[in-house]
Amino acid sequence: EAGVTQSPTHLIKTRGQQATLRCSPISGHTSVYWYQQALGLGLQFLLWYDEGEERNRGNFPPRFSGRQFPNYSSELNVNALELEDSALYLCASSLVTDTQYFGPGTRLTVL
Amino acid sequence: GQQLNQSPQSMFIQEGEDVSMNCTSSSIFNTWLWYKQDPGEGPVLLIALYKAGELTSNGRLTAQFGITRKDSFLNISASIPSDVGIYFCAGAYGNNRLAFGKGNQVVVIP
Repeated sequence: EAGVTQSPTHLIKTRGQQATLRCSPISGHTSVYWYQQALGLGLQFLLWYDEGEERNRGNFPPRFSGRQFPNYSSELNVNALELEDSALYLCASSLVTDTQYFGPGTRLTVL
Repeated sequence: GQQLNQSPQSMFIQEGEDVSMNCTSSSIFNTWLWYKQDPGEGPVLLIALYKAGELTSNGRLTAQFGITRKDSFLNISASIPSDVGIYFCAGAYGNNRLAFGKGNQVVVIP
């Protein structure tokens, strides 16, 4: 069974640009979660999608947004990139339990 | 948000030794999860605990869900070089939310 997949692996952008990150959950999982892991700051919850709806949102500005598609894959968009947005962005998926399975992450670098 | 205190923050151990790490909180959690993360990669789920008092093993790993539901521990027995990495605890609360510890960096000395 394939795990959570994310693309791209690495992404380099400049300040003010937009970034789009993609995630495919484990087959059968309906919930997708996005986290930011900046150096030294641990995992910070960004967004939770389930059945195509945004269910919860972490303490991040509105320029962080996303969506979940009918096939349960998800996209995270970050507008007006700032230097401090440089981080590893992790996607996780789950079925009905609390147990979340993570993807390999997308390393976003903002220059 | 919920706070998890993970200790110790880092540890250097000799190959073959056992290692223990704790995660505590003042809050109650429904589920405790332990993950391992290698540099630049995503966390990998090691053990999931769903009931207070539950003791679960996965190979050389053993973890327990504290009776008070406010803590958990993870033991690694007979450590090997590939055990090196950052170990995170996570507690599930509310509606599919996870709180994470800051991680414990384990270094295994051959």
